[in-house]
Amino acid sequence: DAGVIQSPRHEVTEMGQEVTLRCKPISGHNSLFWYRQTMMRGLELLIYFNNNVPIDDSGMPEDRFSAKMPNASFSTLKIQPSEPRDSAVYFCASSLATRLTPDTQYFGPGTRLTVL
Amino acid sequence: SQQGEEDPQALSIQEGENATMNCSYKTSINNLQWYRQNSGRGLVHLILIRSNEREKHSGRLRVTLDTSKKSSSLLITASRAADTASYFCATDEDSNYQLIWGAGTKLIIKP
Repeated sequence: DAGVIQSPRHEVTEMGQEVTLRCKPISGHNSLFWYRQTMMRGLELLIYFNNNVPIDDSGMPEDRFSAKMPNASFSTLKIQPSEPRDSAVYFCASSLATRLTPDTQYFGPGTRLTVL
Repeated sequence: SQQGEEDPQALSIQEGENATMNCSYKTSINNLQWYRQNSGRGLVHLILIRSNEREKHSGRLRVTLDTSKKSSSLLITASRAADTASYFCATDEDSNYQLIWGAGTKLIIKP
């Protein structure tokens, strides 16, 4: 199993540009999470999907952020327009969570985003 | 939101020594997990302990859970340079599948 795949690994863009981050979860997992990690704020949950449906997007900072999961094997996180304060490492994680099984999360390698 | 609070925030020890990190949480849980993050990498699951368990071992890792004190500890025995990383605890919430993360303990093993 290849694990959670994220692309790109690094992204440098200029303020105002659109940024799209991509994630392929582990096959068979039913839950997908997007996180943001910074030195100041630590690990923040942005949005959580279960069976491709957004369940909780309360962590999405503002309307500039949007996330989609069109099918069980693909998700995107889009920032439009990007701002320097969006610079962070963005992680995607997936898990197989049911009422009976704890939700160990499997993280991708992350996308390091720098907005100039 | 962050429920778990790790203690200490940073820990520096000599190779071969034991490292102990603590985690406190606020609400009732079903399970508590520990993860490791090496610099520039994603988090990796280390061990999970359920609320009805008091202690669990995995190789050089020992985790304890005290639900009456709402706290857990992670002990790494005979530390190695490769153990240098940040360690996070994460707890579940009763009503959904999300994990609530602590701020992490940064562990440095000096050779």
